[in-house]
Amino acid sequence: DVKVTQSSRYLVKRTGEKVFLECVQDMDHENMFWYRQDPGLGLRLIYFSYDVKMKEKGDIPEGYSVSREKKERFSLILESASTNQTSMYLCASRVAGLGYEQYFGPGTRLTVT
Amino acid sequence: AQKVTQAQTEISVVEKEDVTLDCVYETRDTTYYLFWYKQPPSGELVFLIRRNSFDEQNEISGRYSWNFQKSTSSFNFTITASQVVDSAVYFCALSNMKTSYDKVIFGPGTSLSVIP
Repeated sequence: DVKVTQSSRYLVKRTGEKVFLECVQDMDHENMFWYRQDPGLGLRLIYFSYDVKMKEKGDIPEGYSVSREKKERFSLILESASTNQTSMYLCASRVAGLGYEQYFGPGTRLTVT
Repeated sequence: AQKVTQAQTEISVVEKEDVTLDCVYETRDTTYYLFWYKQPPSGELVFLIRRNSFDEQNEISGRYSWNFQKSTSSFNFTITASQVVDSAVYFCALSNMKTSYDKVIFGPGTSLSVIP
């Protein structure tokens, strides 16, 4: 079974803190994604990585950065957390190529106070 | 522009009722993929089905069925004889076939509650 794990289920941080969200997949997938999920908005793509050290901005990259030094690990970084970044963050991975389904982690619910 | 609309924000049904979740998409591309995902209370989205734009055949998998109609740009999902375990948020999604880095556009989701 494909497994995507995220470092924390729940996280509480203070405004201005640097926050790291980690995602690890065990299926040797080339593509990895970070989304945030907010009520009524569905999933919005923050960044994706199509291979190691490669990244592309998604729809809402402002205030975020990513790192992919190893194929199995994709990190999302909030440089200076703000209250409007309080959200559910979902990581996903996928085989490279057209139309393949994504496999999701359980999500990290981040609260910034 | 690409867009996915799921007009039903929340639906409640009594167990054993049939329920249809609507999905309407917009795209200028002639080739694309459509998906449905299920997000149970545990939070992890689970892939249910993929259709490509070349194949309008309806599909049935147990109590689940999908109706894809290009003429109305719809990809509706029906659960027959609903069960409590079907309670979840369901997302419809669209991606193009232009590149291998196709971006997936998700709809806002429909929250389904099945009441025993």
